[in-house]
Amino acid sequence: EDQVTQSPEALRLQEGESSSLNCSYTVSGLRGLFWYRQDPGKGPEFLFTLYSAGEEKEKERLKATLTKKESFLHITAPKPEDSATYLCAVQVYSGGGADGLTFGKGTHLIIQP
Amino acid sequence: EADIYQTPRYLVIGTGKKITLECSQTMGHDKMYWYQQDPGMELHLIHYSYGVNSTEKGDLSSESTVSRIRTEHFPLTLESARPSHTSQYLCASSERDSYGYTFGSGTRLTVV
Repeated sequence: EDQVTQSPEALRLQEGESSSLNCSYTVSGLRGLFWYRQDPGKGPEFLFTLYSAGEEKEKERLKATLTKKESFLHITAPKPEDSATYLCAVQVYSGGGADGLTFGKGTHLIIQP
Repeated sequence: EADIYQTPRYLVIGTGKKITLECSQTMGHDKMYWYQQDPGMELHLIHYSYGVNSTEKGDLSSESTVSRIRTEHFPLTLESARPSHTSQYLCASSERDSYGYTFGSGTRLTVV
């Protein structure tokens, strides 16, 4: 069974204090790993897709990296507007079945001014 | 600007009522999905569609049904709502395999 575990569950940082969020996964065959941002009362907003170990992607203060077992979302010098829940999801090769994403529970990030 | 629209945003209904949650997208995506999300919990796939007249059940068992008569429209129906159906329902679409999904803002359903 495909599993996605995110840590920590919650993280409180001061503005400008860099940190990393972790996403560990156990899947039969990884097709892609996705990062989303979700604000309260809204649907998830797509951030990145990573396809193979060693791949990295950046967007403003966020940088996502991927290994064969986990992904990290690095946030550099965060601002209060970066406060949100960050979701990790995996897509696997399904052999003709659903190609839906399997999500982790998310990391609730709070950036204090 | 949202390209995928869900209505209503909030709904409170009584037990036993039939309801339809609407989802429409303007991007021409063939693949569409319904996810269910409880507070603090993961999103779970309940239905998906690869195109017109294609519908399948997802990983999470659900008493809801879906239809896909038009590419842009993917409604979800509960024939007889129960308190256990109280949750947030999120609709999403994608252009092709391995592309990021675009999610709607969700419908928060409360069954009393």
